[in-house]
Amino acid sequence: QVQLMESGPGLVQPSETLSLTCTVSGFSLTIYNVHWLRQPPGKGLEWMGVMWSGGGTDYNSTLKSRLSISRDTSKNQVFLEMNSLQGEDTTTYYCAREGYGGFAYWGQGTLVTVSS
Amino acid sequence: EIVLTQSPATIAASPGDKVTITCRASSSVSYMYWYQQKSGASPKLWIYDTFKLPPGVPNRFSGSGSGTSYSLTINTMETEDAATYYCQQWSSTPWTFGGGTKLELK
Repeated sequence: QVQLMESGPGLVQPSETLSLTCTVSGFSLTIYNVHWLRQPPGKGLEWMGVMWSGGGTDYNSTLKSRLSISRDTSKNQVFLEMNSLQGEDTTTYYCAREGYGGFAYWGQGTLVTVSS
Repeated sequence: EIVLTQSPATIAASPGDKVTITCRASSSVSYMYWYQQKSGASPKLWIYDTFKLPPGVPNRFSGSGSGTSYSLTINTMETEDAATYYCQQWSSTPWTFGGGTKLELK
């Protein structure tokens, strides 16, 4: 079945770079688009960017200067890198796959805290 | 950016109640999507293409709307429906979500 799992450091120092991995199973990254989203504690959802099945990317303009999404199809992994982290980047990060026209499959999320 | 405004922000309902959550878009969107999120869990796609239910979603849920005004309705509230619901649009990037409506048990 379709599964996505985020992994990465739970704690990042201010001004440093966050690196997250989304490992997927049950589908091909060359057929389905995978998105990154985030949700601050107790708050709403923000779409960050997408790795298109064809290999291209798109980013939320509010994050575009700091964000990079890439993939390794041989390892079934999608990567997120975001630099210059600050306290407001403390949030749960999700990867999600499209389905039924929406974000139909989600990872369990990974909480990242930005703190010294 | 299309801003989605949900109302109410919080609502309390008793089992058997009819519940309606609205989502207004700052510009017209073609379809609306709704997600259910329970505490500590990932969101789940709950309604797609404005009114369609993914497998497993009870048919007491329904969606409607067009243009800039959409709604999610629960025909008869059940205890398991207590959660936060978010609307989301795909019509224009960046794809955006509403601020959420927290549905509590009365």
